[in-house]
Amino acid sequence: EAQVTQNPRYLITVTGKKLTVTCSQNMNHEYMSWYRQDPGLGLRQIYYSMNVEVTDKGDVPEGYKVSRKEKRNFPLILESPSPNQTSLYFCASGTSPDEQFFGPGTRLTVL
Amino acid sequence: AQSVTQPDIHITVSEGASLELRCNYSYGATPYLFWYVQSPGQGLQLLLKYFSGDTLVQGIKGFEAEFKRSQSSFNLRKPSVHWSDAAEYFCAVGAPNFGNEKLTFGTGTRLTIIP
Repeated sequence: EAQVTQNPRYLITVTGKKLTVTCSQNMNHEYMSWYRQDPGLGLRQIYYSMNVEVTDKGDVPEGYKVSRKEKRNFPLILESPSPNQTSLYFCASGTSPDEQFFGPGTRLTVL
Repeated sequence: AQSVTQPDIHITVSEGASLELRCNYSYGATPYLFWYVQSPGQGLQLLLKYFSGDTLVQGIKGFEAEFKRSQSSFNLRKPSVHWSDAAEYFCAVGAPNFGNEKLTFGTGTRLTIIP
């Protein structure tokens, strides 16, 4: 089944404790992206990747890192999480940005 | 830079009634336009998209949208809603003149269906 998977789906952590949210797609898509969704703000793009080893900042990249070492995976890294990073995170992939398939989301709470 | 506005935060309609969700965009040329739907607890699913050509586009689940350049709008419509249409709807705009490497999403419209 074609899909974008994210792990974990739910995470509660504490300020400053490094964490990684994994994203994997099995559709051989070149384009991958991370978004955060906050009430009243819609989806805002954090980082995106046009292909392996090619990543670029979105609208809200501060406090996040990404890597794209292989086509199928695009992990999101929070080196030192803070409470303002409490959010719902979505990974998406596509052959291009024009039609993105979204993962189920990861709900992160930073205490 | 492109931007998109969804003026309605929350809309309530009766089952079987018609629906129109508003979307206005800002971009210096003809943008790429999208509507996504997010059912409760789910990720986003693409409903339809407009790149060029016929300004009335058909999507999945019986939805359609019309691109109106003069009004900078891309409103989503459905002639008769079903209870399963209750969800949050997001309009998004892409920027083809800049390689369309990113989509900018609106803040969403939450749709409630009453029996």
